Amino acid sequence: QQQVKQSPQSLIVQKGGISIINCAYENTAFDYFPWYQQFPGKGPALLIAIRPDVSEKKEGRFTISFNKSAKQFSLHIMDSQPGDSATYFCAASDAGGTSYGKLTFGQGTILTVHP
Amino acid sequence: DAGVTQSPTHLIKTRGQQVTLRCSPKSGHDTVSWYQQALGQGPQFIFQYYEEEERQRGNFPDRFSGHQFPNYSSELNVNALLLGDSALYLCASSLTGAGGYTFGSGTRLTVV
Repeated sequence: QQQVKQSPQSLIVQKGGISIINCAYENTAFDYFPWYQQFPGKGPALLIAIRPDVSEKKEGRFTISFNKSAKQFSLHIMDSQPGDSATYFCAASDAGGTSYGKLTFGQGTILTVHP
Repeated sequence: DAGVTQSPTHLIKTRGQQVTLRCSPKSGHDTVSWYQQALGQGPQFIFQYYEEEERQRGNFPDRFSGHQFPNYSSELNVNALLLGDSALYLCASSLTGAGGYTFGSGTRLTVV
């Protein structure tokens, strides 16, 4: 019930291409969906987040698409760059993103962008 | 503006030993959460501390305990270490009601 399933496990794209990572959840109480980027030896860093009252949010080259009825959300990275090569995690929380909410993470996607 | 600081960065312990990990939250943050990240996996929530009390706890045994001090810094203690406790331990801080977690770079614990 608390799981967040993420796919694919790994992704290779060419510079300038579009990277797409998908997540699905079961718990309908989740109301905050962030994406984190993690580089080797570092902790996760918040990239972008969405709440279920909107279907899409865009920040620069990063876009979250959210489908509440399907309980799915995805991250799109436009014009992917070698510097985007990292591990990406989707997550979900049931406390509106406040400090009360624990984050449930997906398993992660290793993104490699070839120059 | 310092972010979340964790110490030590790396640690090697023997099975059965006890370990203490430390976290200083980002300036202005009052809540500290701890996560365990096994190799190749997403972080798993251990517990959260606010006002020096454990506010929420994940599915971890009592061997995992914590503490928050009046200056909001926190410690994670693990007793009777098992090989399976080998992981990256992440501390995340936040400000009550404001949302948004800032993660530290973690402590890499290896149990041999």
